[in-house]
Order: sequence, then C-alpha cells, then structure tokens
Amino acid sequence: NAGVTQTPKFRVLKTGQSMTLLCAQDMNHEYMYWYRQDPGMGLRLIHYSVGEGTTAKGEVPDGYNVSRLKKQNFLLGLESAAPSQTSVYFCASRFITRAPGANVLTFGAGSRLTVL
Amino acid sequence: DAKTTQPTSMDCAEGRAANLPCNHSTISGNEYVYWYRQIHSQGPQYIIHGLKNNETNEMASLIITEDRKSSTLILPHATLRDTAVYYCIVRVESGGGADGLTFGKGTHLIIQP
Repeated sequence: NAGVTQTPKFRVLKTGQSMTLLCAQDMNHEYMYWYRQDPGMGLRLIHYSVGEGTTAKGEVPDGYNVSRLKKQNFLLGLESAAPSQTSVYFCASRFITRAPGANVLTFGAGSRLTVL
Repeated sequence: DAKTTQPTSMDCAEGRAANLPCNHSTISGNEYVYWYRQIHSQGPQYIIHGLKNNETNEMASLIITEDRKSSTLILPHATLRDTAVYYCIVRVESGGGADGLTFGKGTHLIIQP
C-alpha cells in the first residue's frame, strides 16, 4: 500500500517551460488536494478536487491548472513556469465522510520544483 | 475556521515530555482540533484530533481545556526523530471541509540530545 505517490520528486525548469506534476493515491479517496510550501511558510492550497471530473480553486490558483480524469490521479500543470513558482509541492487526499476524523489527510512526500 | 496561535519554536530534552500549546479562543462548538507535524523535507503527517474530550493514541495525547479555548499536544517521551514543525488546526468536521485544511507556520519543536 503506497498511499500518496508524487512524481517527479525533483525538477528544474526554465522560465516559460511547461510541466505536469502527477499525484497518485491507492486508498480510494474521493478528495484530493495540491498545496505549495515556500521556505519558512505554511502550506497554501492551490487547487482541490472532490471527485473524478471535478476541480476547484484554492487560495493560490493563478498560474496552475489541474485535472482529475481518474479517481486515483490528480495532475497539477504549469503552462508557463515562472520563478515565483519555485516551491515544494505537496499532494494530499482523504475520504468523504461526515464522521469525526474527516479531516485526516494523507500527504505525499513532495515534489521540489525550481524555475530558473 | 477559528484562528490558532502557537509559539514559533520550542526546545525539549530527549526522553522528556514535550508539551506543545495552542490557543484557539474563537473556536466554535462544531470545530475539531487537529494536530499534524512535518519533519524536515517531508509531507505533513496526521497526529491526533479531538472535540472536547482528551484523546490519546500511539503517537501523542491531546488535552483540550474545558472551555475549549486552548489545547496541548503531549509527546510523552520525545526522541530526536520528533524534531519537526507541529501544526495546530481548527476545523469544522461536517458539511463543508472539502476545501482542505489551512496550515499556519506552526511550532518548530527541537529535541535536544
């Protein structure tokens, strides 16, 4: 049981290049999230998804696009990378539930992106 | 969601209990207290959560004051591997919540050998 897997773990881009980060979870979770974390900061939500085929904007969505074509995968795309997008990106997932513990998220190990 | 206040950093000797405080004076009746931690360069890890009763699991204990305006996370026998940033988050449990958790800057706990 791998949990939440992010690929790639590291990537260096030049300004203007595009790339996609992949998040895959094998826990049958309905909700998935993409966060970014900058040095000395907490995590900020970029986009999230409540199910296959649905996505929604989080706190800092500009410059990113997402897709959830399959329940187990959540893709984060940068169409034209900028140095301000240099960050560590974390994916997370959880079940839909109204029971206590609804907000127990499982996180991936992170993807470190550098934009030159 | 209610705002939380945590100390920026704390030290604790290895083998001693680490007590991490969190203030959430504006917490409402249906909001739970969650604790996560993030070891350097890793993804955040869930530790424990509670509503009003004290909770304990294999990782830690959570003590919530009777008025629910503050809580303390207790790591009973801290080890060097417990050095991490600890996040206290208050969140409504039912209904909404699909839009993720808000992580502040947390408390950097340093376990000293």
